[in-house]
This record gives sequence, C-alpha cells and structure tokens, in this order.
Amino acid sequence: GAVVSQHPSWVICKSGTSVKIECRSLDFQATTMFWYRQFPKQSLMLMATSNEGSKATYEQGVEKDKFLINHASLTLSTLTVTSAHPEDSSFYICSAREGLADEQFFGPGTRLTVL
Amino acid sequence: ILNVEQSPQSLHVQEGDSTNFTCSFPSSNFYALHWYRWETAKSPEALFVMTLNGDEKKKGRISATLNTKEGYSYLYIKGSQPEDSATYLCASAGTYKYIFGTGTRLKVLA
Repeated sequence: GAVVSQHPSWVICKSGTSVKIECRSLDFQATTMFWYRQFPKQSLMLMATSNEGSKATYEQGVEKDKFLINHASLTLSTLTVTSAHPEDSSFYICSAREGLADEQFFGPGTRLTVL
Repeated sequence: ILNVEQSPQSLHVQEGDSTNFTCSFPSSNFYALHWYRWETAKSPEALFVMTLNGDEKKKGRISATLNTKEGYSYLYIKGSQPEDSATYLCASAGTYKYIFGTGTRLKVLA
C-alpha cells in the first residue's frame, strides 16, 4: 500500500521558536496533502488542505500566518508552527491523496511539546 | 458541521471474544464512510471504505456494515487476538474532507 512518512516523530521546543514538520509520500505522487491536529481525547481535526504548487486552504479558526504550509513538490509538504506557544502542543498528522482518489494515506504523526 | 461519534470510547475483551463498535454520522449529504485501524506510533491503516447503504465488507476476522439512512456503521471483530489491540477510527468523508470520530480503543487481553 501507499506509504507516507512524517518527520520528526516527536519534538520539544521552547516557547517562541518555530518548528518544521515534514510529510513525504514515498511511493506515490501526493497531489493533495492534508494536515490534521489532535488534542487529547479529541478527534483528528483538519487544519488545512494543500495542493501541489498552490496555496493551502485553511479551515475556519486556523491561523495561516501561524501554521505555514508549503507543498512545493508532489512528494513533500511541510508544516511550520511559527512562534510556538504551549497551547500549540498537540499531535500533528498529515495525510496524502493521489489525484482524485477517495483514499487518504496517513503519516505516523508528530508529537509537539512546547515548553 | 458534521458530527461523527464512536462508541464505546474504550473496551477490554478477552482473547477469543468477538466484539463490535459503532460509528454514528449525520445521514444527510453522505458520501463515504472510512474505517481505520491505528496502532500507537504507527500510521492509521485503512480497513474499509463504504459508500452504499447496506454495504457489508470483510477483511479476515474484521467486517463492517453500513446504514446510510439511519447514519451508522458497525465494525465487528470475530475471535479477537492481542494483535487486534489498537484504536479504531471512523471518518465520514464529504466531497473534500474527512470528519473523524474520537475512536474506540480496543485492548485484547491474552
């Protein structure tokens, strides 16, 4: 099946710093990538959708200047949490889709802790 | 806004027992229902994609049914094994995005 990797798997940073998370599709072309966030005991919540070569579309309530998404190639999307604060501590997970296929394939996620 | 709910939140079963979980979703504007199996520190693994009312799908000891009119899907595991321990997620898929439930955490005791 299709494989999506995510790096790093966990990161701890100081408040005010920026953190970049990478999402890669290893064996298919990810025309569309999705970024989700999960707080404890809550469901995965979509943050933004990005199409290769285009600006990301953010869900209501997600600050685009705080969560910078770049999808410059068909195999890589990055999420940068800028000026991170403790309330940004969460589990971030990406998924990727090839063309107009129904299926999304997920990465293993990144646990971010902001001190 | 869609609201997808799963129950129970967690359960423990003995090895060999059969079990089932529920995923409820709004039946209006239904497009597809996805089931995932998610082990800790791994990627969610797709189990089933279901679209038609009355759909029933099977993969080994795991099967799922779908009722789009009343807005629910059941996931069944027959003869649970310790390796079935995981969180089982369902997601109602609209035309462009998924709405996830909070998952059912299953622990199978040897």
